[in-house]
Parts: sequence; C-alpha cells; structure tokens
Amino acid sequence: SYELTQPPSVSVSPGQTAIITCSADELGDKYASWYQQKPGQSPVLVIYQDVKRPSGIPERFSGSNSGNTATLTISGTQPVDEAEYYCQAWGSSAGGPLIFGGGTKLTVL
Amino acid sequence: QVHLVQSGAEVKKPGASVRLSCQVSGKSLTEISMHWVRQAPGKGLEWMGGFDPEEAETIYAQKLQGRVTMTEDTSRDTVYLELSSLTSEDAAIYYCAGDSYNLHYAMDVWGQGTTVIVSS
Repeated sequence: SYELTQPPSVSVSPGQTAIITCSADELGDKYASWYQQKPGQSPVLVIYQDVKRPSGIPERFSGSNSGNTATLTISGTQPVDEAEYYCQAWGSSAGGPLIFGGGTKLTVL
Repeated sequence: QVHLVQSGAEVKKPGASVRLSCQVSGKSLTEISMHWVRQAPGKGLEWMGGFDPEEAETIYAQKLQGRVTMTEDTSRDTVYLELSSLTSEDAAIYYCAGDSYNLHYAMDVWGQGTTVIVSS
C-alpha cells in the first residue's frame, strides 16, 4: 500500500531553519499538503498544492515537492511553531486516495 | 469565513453505531468538499472518507468500507458521519474538515472535533 513516511521527530533551536520531510514513491507527481497540530487543537493547513500558503500562515513556512520527497521548511523557527506536523497527499492507494503521513513532532529547544 | 461546528461527545457500547454531525456556516455546503478524519488517542490523523469533486462522489477509506456512511443535508448545511459495529479501536476524536477553495484535496477548514468513547 502507498504510505507517506515522515521522521518521528525534528529538533531545532529558535531562529534556525526546520526541515521536515515526507517520502513516498513518485510523491512529486501528486499534490502534497502540510498540517500543523498543537496539543488539544484541530489541525491547521499550512501548505497546500506543494508550495502555496493559506491566508494567515506566516511567510516563514514554505514547501516543495519533487521526486519522492515533499519538504516543509520553517525559516527562523519560533517557539510557537512547536507542534506535530502531518503531510498529506491525494493519489492512488489501496487504502484510499487520501493519506496522511505518520506525523513529525517539531521541538523548538 | 467558513466555520464547522460539530456535535457533542458520544459514549457507545461495542457493536453499536454512532452518528456525528457537522454544521457548515459562512458558505454553502454545496461549495465545499467535505471529509471526515479521525485521531485515536496519542496517534496520527486517519482519513475516513470524503467528497471527490473530480469524480463527483463520496469515497471511503478501504479499511472502513461497509461500516462508514457519509451523508449530507444541504437544507441544513450539515454533513453526517455514521460508523457501525464499533470496537475499542474506533475510540478517537473525529474531525470534519473541508476544502472550501478548491485546493485540490487539501482541507483548509476544520471542526473542533467530537470525542467518541467506546466502552462496555
């Protein structure tokens, strides 16, 4: 079955750049989205169609998607960015067309 | 601005069914592709099903086929999720979520979540 693989955790110091990856076969042929979820809250869309930011999402959030890997980059990471991040894609899958990655816990030390 | 308001928490016995609702405001339901996503305690997000605008039909995650039904009442701008034959593995927070700007299967608006407890 088609799976999106994310690292379980990423740590970064305030002000540094955080990079979170999402990998799957030919992921670059599909649109990837990214969601931020803080404890006790609903997810928030931060990137859609690989590179686009919804209104209200800070410019320090950016995305890319090529080959087998989609990437969420947070430039100048702030303590408020500490959260779980999930990638998501839509494409053929035995389990269903819409799938989420397992999530990455971003810690801002 | 689009808002999604979900129904309250549910406690169900194993084997029972649950029906959750999600009311849309700020935009007509007919303009939004709605999905349901759940999250078991301490776990990640799991897509359950939703509307595919390209195929113009509701599709479901394969593992839930036969147990899940998503319906809508456009007169009330409300969508419903029904899940049958509940087990302890169905205990989770259930979110309705929508693509309100044709973002190609990205969900830009989310409900507050409904907790479903399955216990005998």
